[in-house]
Amino acid sequence: QVQLQESGPGLVKPSQTLSLTCSVSGASVISEDFYWAWIRQTPVKGLEWIGHIYHSGSTYYNPSLKSRISLSIDTSDNHFSLEVNSVTAADTGVYFCAKVAWYAGYPPYWYFDLWGRGTRVTVSS
Amino acid sequence: DIQLTQSPSFLSASVGDRVTITCRASRGISTYLAWYQLKPGKAPKLLIYAASTLQSGVPSRFTGRGSGTEFTLTISGLQPEDFATYYCQHLNSFPFAFGPGTTVDIK
Repeated sequence: QVQLQESGPGLVKPSQTLSLTCSVSGASVISEDFYWAWIRQTPVKGLEWIGHIYHSGSTYYNPSLKSRISLSIDTSDNHFSLEVNSVTAADTGVYFCAKVAWYAGYPPYWYFDLWGRGTRVTVSS
Repeated sequence: DIQLTQSPSFLSASVGDRVTITCRASRGISTYLAWYQLKPGKAPKLLIYAASTLQSGVPSRFTGRGSGTEFTLTISGLQPEDFATYYCQHLNSFPFAFGPGTTVDIK
């Protein structure tokens, strides 16, 4: 049974970097069948796709966040991570990681078929 | 960027009711649409992908329809565990985006 678990600090100071990790069990992050995504839910924007990453390291980022975010994948420890730089109060919310399945199409058919429970992050001094 | 709207924002219903939620896209997205169920403190759950494909393990009372710019999620015979917030998501092009959500509450 595949499970995803987010972890990270619950509180981050403004202008600092938020770092979150998603631990994956029951599946390998090097699987060619999946991508791995981050999504957040904030009071202002609701649910927002942040980006996703493939085991090769190729990434897709939300342009609205691209200048401040970085996704990485650790194949040895079977987890993937998110960094958000220069955080503000607008980055406060619940952050989810998800497994992204896909199948051939033009463009490919993606779907976020398994999510973690989310981790709450507050940006405050 | 493609924007999604949902209607209604809030829906009050009883166990056994049939409810329909509509999701509209700002431009055509073929069938690149998914539906999710969110409950506080729980992992979001994929219900439907590719507009009408039922995710494995999801009860058949959930039905997705539509293509282009208009989509619906219908729950036929609401169960107590179905009271939640439902979101559509387009996956046609980057950036993927979610609708604002529809909360289904107990009447």
